[in-house]
Order: sequence, then C-alpha cells, then structure tokens
Amino acid sequence: EPEVTQTPSHQVTQMGQEVILRCVPISNHLYFYWYRQILGQKVEFLVSFYNNEISEKSEIFDDQFSVERPDGSNFTLKIRSTKLEDSAMYFCASRGIRDRNQPQHFGDGTRLSIL
Amino acid sequence: AQSVTQLGSHVSVSEGALVLLRCNYSSSVPPYLFWYVQYPNQGLQLLLKYTSAATLVKGINGFEAEFKKSETSFHLTKPSAHMSDAAEYFCAVRLSGTYKYIFGTGTRLKVLA
Repeated sequence: EPEVTQTPSHQVTQMGQEVILRCVPISNHLYFYWYRQILGQKVEFLVSFYNNEISEKSEIFDDQFSVERPDGSNFTLKIRSTKLEDSAMYFCASRGIRDRNQPQHFGDGTRLSIL
Repeated sequence: AQSVTQLGSHVSVSEGALVLLRCNYSSSVPPYLFWYVQYPNQGLQLLLKYTSAATLVKGINGFEAEFKKSETSFHLTKPSAHMSDAAEYFCAVRLSGTYKYIFGTGTRLKVLA
C-alpha cells in the first residue's frame, strides 16, 4: 500500500538555525498537510497546501515557517530560525482529491530536537 | 469553537476484555470524525472514519465506532483486546468547509496479560 515517507526520522539542530523537513506524499495525492506534536501534547494542525499555495494555516504557522513543493514529488516544511519550543514531532499528511471525504494519510514523522 | 475531547488519557484493560475509548465532539454542524492509532515510534494510522453514511463504522483490527448525534459522541470499541492493541489512540474531527483535522489529546491503551 502506498505511504507517505518523511526524512529524516530525527533531526537535531542548534537554536537559531534553519531546518528543512522533507516529505514525499502518496503519488496521486494533491492535498498536503503538516502537523506537529509536542511531547506529551496533542497533534496540532500547522498548514494545508493545494495547487501550489497554502489553503489554510493555523496561528502556529507564523513567518518563521514556510512550505514548498519544489518538484513533483517532495513537500517540505522550513523553519527559518528555530526556537527551543519548535522541538516536536512533525507529521506530514496527504489526501487524494477524488473524494473530499477521503482521510488524510500520515507519515511516520520527523522528531525535531532543538538544542 | 470546534473541539474534540477524549476522556481518559490512560486506559488499561485485560487481554480479552472489552475496549472502550471515549470521544466527544462539539460542533454545530455534522462533522467528519476519525480514529487514528499511533504505535510507538510510528506515525498515525487510520483506524476508521465517519462521514455520515452509516452511524456504526467498522474499521481495521476489529475496531468499530458508533456515531451518536444525541450524545455528540464517537466512542471506539473492540470486543476483545489483544496485546498488539497497546498503542495511543487519537480521535479527530474535520468540519465541513475546512480540511484541517482537530485532534483530541489521545488515549494510551495498555493491555494486561
């Protein structure tokens, strides 16, 4: 069964550095999402992306965050200047377009640790 | 505001016993509801979804959930727990007109031998 893949599985970065988290969504999917889960807390929506633009974002997704689909297969989340509170598990998800009720399919996540 | 509440952050059951994980939602319009499971060091795997077609929804691994509008609930059940069911379970809601999911705080299920 096709799946969403995320790399790296664990990223350690110094505070203030830029970090890029990578995702390869399921190949025929056209809606893409990022969520995060701070340790011990619930999964929170960050942003949704469709047709090369952000369709929805949360208040967490401030100017430090950006998303991009640089080619036909990758979907990236960039944090420009990381803060300690950015430490979390980041999940990428994708969804097909044919049926609006299709569920989102999630990757295994990238654990981001800010030192 | 739309929210999802999962009662009980930790639930323990004996192997072979009934599993009941609770989820209540608040919404002024019929929502789309989902249950996801997260095994250790893994991502979120869809267990089942409710999209208004039927109130009793069957999912993978023997799980099912019943949508009760009068109680604004979507509780997850399994008749007989297995050791492999030990994981964290998340209820999520998607409102019509938006694509983001709002997740509950999760319930960690422990299965005792």
